[in-house]
Amino acid sequence: EVQLVESGGGLARPGRSLRLSCAASGFTFEDYAMHWVRQAPGKGLEWVSGISWNSGSIRYADSVKGRFTISRDNAKDSLYLQMNSLRAEDTALYYCTKDGRYHDSTGLFDNWGQGTLVTVSS
Amino acid sequence: DIQMTQSPSSLSASVGDRVTITCQASQDIDNYLNWYQQKPGRAPKLLIYDASNLKTGVPSRFSGSGSGTDFTFTISSLQPEDIATYYCQQYDHFPTFGQGTRLEIK
Repeated sequence: EVQLVESGGGLARPGRSLRLSCAASGFTFEDYAMHWVRQAPGKGLEWVSGISWNSGSIRYADSVKGRFTISRDNAKDSLYLQMNSLRAEDTALYYCTKDGRYHDSTGLFDNWGQGTLVTVSS
Repeated sequence: DIQMTQSPSSLSASVGDRVTITCQASQDIDNYLNWYQQKPGRAPKLLIYDASNLKTGVPSRFSGSGSGTDFTFTISSLQPEDIATYYCQQYDHFPTFGQGTRLEIK
């Protein structure tokens, strides 16, 4: 059974940083692209960033480009999101998601974690 | 960015009803269209991928159709456990989601 467990959320002041982590299990992590998707309170879903299985392809939404950095450690079955220069509009539940295609990065999110809440407020 | 327009934004139906949600893309996305279900307080779940393929384990009352710019999601016979918000999502380019359809029981 695929399991994705996010951590690292919390309260941050505007302009500060947070680092999210996602621990994966139940599948061969190194064979699949991974993504972060967020959901502001009471709002819809927004794709944030994706990284290919070998870290060779990385993409960001325009809303976070230049501030967020996605990375992965295949030896540790872990995904990360370094979030710098945080803004109030980054307040959201951040989901770690697995791509549904083997050795491809598509944006088909076939498994989701339960999310970690990031609140940006002074 | 490709914009996804979902309708209706909310829907009330009775148990046993046939329910249909539509999603329109701002440009041709072939069949790169997925449907997700999100129950209150829970993470989204993939139901349909590539417009019409049912994910393994998802009940057969859920179905999807369409290609290009116009897509449809159908629940053939609404069950109480189907109460949720449903999202379409394209992945032809950078992934984007529709605004969601909140489904309630009448």
